[in-house]
Amino acid sequence: EVQLLQSGGGLVQPGGSLRLSCAASGLSFRNFAMSWVRQGPGKGLEWVSFISGSGATRNYADAVKGRFTVSRDNSNNTLYLHLYSLGAEDMGIYYCAKMKGAAGPEMYSFDYWGQGALVTVSS
Amino acid sequence: QSALTQPPSASGSPGQSVTISCTGTSSDVDDYNYVSWYQQHPGKAPKLMIYEVNKRPSGVPDRFSGSKSGNTASLTVSGLQAEDEADYYCTSYGGSYTWMFGGGTKLTVL
Repeated sequence: EVQLLQSGGGLVQPGGSLRLSCAASGLSFRNFAMSWVRQGPGKGLEWVSFISGSGATRNYADAVKGRFTVSRDNSNNTLYLHLYSLGAEDMGIYYCAKMKGAAGPEMYSFDYWGQGALVTVSS
Repeated sequence: QSALTQPPSASGSPGQSVTISCTGTSSDVDDYNYVSWYQQHPGKAPKLMIYEVNKRPSGVPDRFSGSKSGNTASLTVSGLQAEDEADYYCTSYGGSYTWMFGGGTKLTVL
């Protein structure tokens, strides 16, 4: 069974930084692209970042480009999101999500999600 | 990267059908057959209900169906049940490894 176990959320001051982790099990992690999706307090879902299975391809939503960095360690089956220069607009629950397929059309949806990590930005 | 447009709310009585729309643009919904739908209960992570416009993952009841016409995708829930009450989000691939979500629709079972 595929499981995504997240850690690393917490309280950070404005302008601060944080690292989120997502440990995967039950799958050949290196074969699957992954994404990060966030949800502001009482708000909808927002795609944040994508990384291919090898890590060679990465992309970000305009709202976080230049401030967030996605990476992965395929030897330890772990996905990361480094968040820098955090502001109130970045608060919310951050989910890691597995892309459904290893390649082709099934790669474009999110079939397994982590439990979420809460990021609070406050002084 | 603009959000897709969904109605904020929808409702129906048990046993009825309800359809939720998701409107995008020629650059996303109309350009790709990579629309998916997610169900989210309060305090829970989203769950994939429909992918590639109209395909159901294993374990999702066939009461859930998806379709697309031009730049508008739709999710239909037939035979509404109490447990279907949740928030529903559409998403579309937008090219160049970008995705956009709809604002979400709160489905109430009356």
